[in-house]
Amino acid sequence: SAVISQKPSRDICQRGTSLTIQCQVDSQVTMMFWYRQQPGQSLTLIATANQGSEATYESGFVIDKFPISRPNLTFSTLTVSNMSPEDSSIYLCSVAGSFIGYTFGSGTRLTVV
Amino acid sequence: GQQLNQSPQSMFIQEGEDVSMNCTSSSIFNTWLWYKQDPGEGPVLLIALYKAGELTSNGRLTAQFGITRKDSFLNISASIPSDVGIYFCAGETSGSRLTFGEGTQLTVNP
Repeated sequence: SAVISQKPSRDICQRGTSLTIQCQVDSQVTMMFWYRQQPGQSLTLIATANQGSEATYESGFVIDKFPISRPNLTFSTLTVSNMSPEDSSIYLCSVAGSFIGYTFGSGTRLTVV
Repeated sequence: GQQLNQSPQSMFIQEGEDVSMNCTSSSIFNTWLWYKQDPGEGPVLLIALYKAGELTSNGRLTAQFGITRKDSFLNISASIPSDVGIYFCAGETSGSRLTFGEGTQLTVNP
């Protein structure tokens, strides 16, 4: 299975600012994903990070709020823009597929104050 | 959108007891997955199920992919204190996207 490194592991940010989260995979993967886990809740898919094209967002998530980059097959970033306290969550990077496994990073714990 | 109903929401058991949890959905999934999440960590994959009817074991864990492809269960036998955590089921849809259940919080009393 792929190994994922995600950083930062946690951050405390002021409202109105933006935070960029990085995700590095130890092998080339086609599919990378970003999930959000609100406090005490389950995981919800934000978007699929596509290499060479725009990310595909799930209902309720928009590019202006969560811009995503995927410059190559091993790296992606998620930016949480113009943050408010409601954005306080754990953000997780993932790869998925029967050959590479269904693996998550350790997450970025974001607190917006 | 698709939803997974996971039950029970929480369980309090004694060490050595067996545990069972399940997920159901109104939608069909291609793959069923079971994860465990410890505090401060991302979910860790326990078992992946790829075929309807498949029964798979991983040590003390056993999981089955329902025949209808709309449900799955996870059993843990002879629980130990390190089994404590939150267990999530997840169903895979097109494009390898995952839909998660609400989670089962397991507490094991020594």
